[in-house]
Amino acid sequence: LAKTTQPISMDSYEGQEVNITCSHNNIATNDYITWYQQFPSQGPRFIIQGYKTKVTNEVASLFIPADRKSSTLSLPRVSLSDTAVYYCLVPYTGGFKTIFGAGTRLFVKA
Amino acid sequence: EAQVTQNPRYLITVTGKKLTVTCSQNMNHEYMSWYRQDPGLGLRQIYYSMNVEVTDKGDVPEGYKVSRKEKRNFPLILESPSPNQTSLYFCASSFSSREGYEQYFGPGTRLTVT
Repeated sequence: LAKTTQPISMDSYEGQEVNITCSHNNIATNDYITWYQQFPSQGPRFIIQGYKTKVTNEVASLFIPADRKSSTLSLPRVSLSDTAVYYCLVPYTGGFKTIFGAGTRLFVKA
Repeated sequence: EAQVTQNPRYLITVTGKKLTVTCSQNMNHEYMSWYRQDPGLGLRQIYYSMNVEVTDKGDVPEGYKVSRKEKRNFPLILESPSPNQTSLYFCASSFSSREGYEQYFGPGTRLTVT
């Protein structure tokens, strides 16, 4: 079972860079790491996905070390609207289920 | 526009009255899922489907049924709803359950069973 572990919550201020780290010690060789963002009462929204090293898009960057046992989502210069829950996902190694962890609740203050 | 739609968005019903929540996607995705989200419990997968006529249980399947007769549709059926099925439900779809693992979520259905 590929389980992920993230901090339960984080606080930040507007304009700061936020880094959320996820550990996934049992990730399988071919599996990607995917991050989602969820606002209250809305479905999760895809942010970024990666396999190794670094991936960057217009929203975030994802850093994955060589051993792939962890990954770090980096949100540059957060704003109040980035207040949300962020989930790190890896595929379920025992089959084709999807298992969301508890996520990280990010609270951005003015 | 690529999207996942769910209907209804809000539903209040009584115990034991059968109901169906529809889910449809227009992206030709193979993988579709249903989740429920409850305060303090996060998102939990109810059922998923790898393709037409292929479905399997997620973590919390009791009290639910699904079917996948067409690729685009994946309805969730509650044969005899109970109050503990009051929840926020999300449907999602993706090309695959593994590589290219990006799931697209619907807007959610808030169900209240009295």
